[in-house]
Amino acid sequence: AQSVAQPEDQVNVAEGNPLTVKCTYSVSGNPYLFWYVQYPNRGLQFLLKYITGDNLVKGSYGFEAEFNKSQTSFHLKKPSALVSDSALYFCAVRASGNTGKLIFGQGTTLQVKP
Amino acid sequence: DTGVSQDPRHKITKRGQNVTFRCDPISEHNRLYWYRQTLGQGPEFLTYFQNEAQLEKSRLLSDRFSAERPKGSFSTLEIQRTEQGDSAMYLCASSFRESTNEKLFFGSGTQLSVL
Repeated sequence: AQSVAQPEDQVNVAEGNPLTVKCTYSVSGNPYLFWYVQYPNRGLQFLLKYITGDNLVKGSYGFEAEFNKSQTSFHLKKPSALVSDSALYFCAVRASGNTGKLIFGQGTTLQVKP
Repeated sequence: DTGVSQDPRHKITKRGQNVTFRCDPISEHNRLYWYRQTLGQGPEFLTYFQNEAQLEKSRLLSDRFSAERPKGSFSTLEIQRTEQGDSAMYLCASSFRESTNEKLFFGSGTQLSVL
């Protein structure tokens, strides 16, 4: 069965510093991986996805993610964090079969301090 | 460009009452998903439709839960005889079916509180 894990409940980083939010996955077959962000009282917003191709995927708001097959990881990164990046981040994997259904991790709260 | 719309935003009900939520997907999207999210957890899949056909239901979806998408456009999620454990954020998402490039667009959710 497809699954993702986010080992950190919370990540704290100072504004201007690089940030990393970790995600590891377990899949059978090709992994289709996603990152979503959730701001308070808002729905989930798509950030980026990995289907095939380059291991470094660029997404919205300056975020990128690095796919690492040998480590089964898909970490979210940003070179310089902003206070406005503070939110809840979810890693997700597409379920197997002909479906768009996503299976989400438990989420990581990112706190960026001025 | 209108996104996914959910109504109501908040619902407070007493245990044992029935509630119904509505989701209006992005107009050209043929797939519609319902998820449930509790505090501190990621969204959990409940069910999804392709056009008007309900193709999958999670084991989380007890007999008290029913979802419909009668004309392949909007969808409703009904919970009968609500229990306190049903308190959660109910999220709707829609997508356009493609082989690999499909991505889900989410609504803002309906927050259900069962007293």
